[in-house]
Amino acid sequence: AQSVTQPDIHITVSEGASLELRCNYSYGATPYLFWYVQSPGQGLQLLLKYFSGDTLVQGIKGFEAEFKRSQSSFNLRKPSVHWSDAAEYFCVAAGNKLTFGGGTRVLVKP
Amino acid sequence: DAGITQSPRHKVTETGTPVTLRCHQTENHRYMYWYRQDPGHGLRLIHYSYGVKDTDKGEVSDGYSVSRSKTEDFLLTLESATSSQTSVYFCAISNTQGGGDVTEAFFGQGTRLTVV
Repeated sequence: AQSVTQPDIHITVSEGASLELRCNYSYGATPYLFWYVQSPGQGLQLLLKYFSGDTLVQGIKGFEAEFKRSQSSFNLRKPSVHWSDAAEYFCVAAGNKLTFGGGTRVLVKP
Repeated sequence: DAGITQSPRHKVTETGTPVTLRCHQTENHRYMYWYRQDPGHGLRLIHYSYGVKDTDKGEVSDGYSVSRSKTEDFLLTLESATSSQTSVYFCAISNTQGGGDVTEAFFGQGTRLTVV
């Protein structure tokens, strides 16, 4: 069965520091992969997507993600976080339907 | 932004009453989904549709039914609301490409449902 795991439930990072959120997927083939962000009280916004090709994908708000087939991972990174990056982040895999990871809540310290 | 609208945005209802939430899209996307979001559980799929009159269950479908009589509308019905169905409900839409896998989803703003 298709599954997505985000091992970190909460991450606290200082403003200006780098951020990496982990995502591992389990699927019969390489699925399409996405990262979404949800700010408090808001809907979900697409940050970036991977379909095929270049394994390093750029997204909005300065985020990037790297697909590693050998590790079945699709980790999200940002070199320098801003206070506005405090939110919940979801990794999603798409095969014949969408499968969500459990989410990682990011707290940003001043 | 993708044209996807949920209604109502907020609702308070009594235990045992039926409730219907509506999701309307203007994108002509094939797939439509209903998720619920609860603290500590992330987003859980209730039901989804892959075409008009074509629906399937998700992981938390008990107590819910859906209908899709036209491409643009996907209705979620709580047949007899219970307090455990108090949640935030999100509708999403997506399309397919290539070998039939779904592409990125676009989400509505959510419906906050409280069952008292």
